[in-house]
Amino acid sequence: GAGVSQSPSNKVTEKGKDVELRCDPISGHTALYWYRQSLGQGLEFLIYFQGNSAPDKSGLPSDRFSAERTGGSVSTLTIQRTQQEDSAVYLCASSPDREAFFGQGTRLTVV
Amino acid sequence: AQSVTQLDSQVPVFEEAPVELRCNYSSSVSVYLFWYVQYPNQGLQLLLKYLSGSTLVKGINGFEAEFNKSQTSFHLRKPSVHISDTAEYFCAVSDPSGYSTLTFGKGTMLLVSP
Repeated sequence: GAGVSQSPSNKVTEKGKDVELRCDPISGHTALYWYRQSLGQGLEFLIYFQGNSAPDKSGLPSDRFSAERTGGSVSTLTIQRTQQEDSAVYLCASSPDREAFFGQGTRLTVV
Repeated sequence: AQSVTQLDSQVPVFEEAPVELRCNYSSSVSVYLFWYVQYPNQGLQLLLKYLSGSTLVKGINGFEAEFNKSQTSFHLRKPSVHISDTAEYFCAVSDPSGYSTLTFGKGTMLLVSP
């Protein structure tokens, strides 16, 4: 069956522009996570959606970052006024319970 | 708050040698534990998980891990590694309560050479 799909796979943007990253989770998975992976930094938690509960936004690094999940399915991570330090791989994962299934990630490069 | 420490950022090993990748966690409650593997330019893939029951957990590709509650550890082992095991390995912890994120360690790069 289909896994977690992320688009685009690569994105190059100019500093100051806004970007939207999309995640299509596995159908029926109630939980969805966004992580950021920078070189040598491991996986940095950004935001967590679980069913109809309010999302855990405690990992968002600044108010330039936001995310939404529509209809309990597709999620979009938006970064406004991108900065060079936003360059990283953004990983999305979905989970039916505890085991998280990851997408291939979106590599964001801010120039 | 939970945290995960992976003590080695890089582990070099020769092919067919045994390997242990160390993981310690910090949590005031019971935990679920995971090991994920990331091959170059790919997403993360689950190797194995501990939710409850036997403390020795077997995973894919010949890996196993042992949950040690007293030492708050969940070390990953393989008795004989292959070149194809070269990858980054991440340990993660989750709270068994209904609303919990996955907290990851910084990862250990396993470098297998001939």
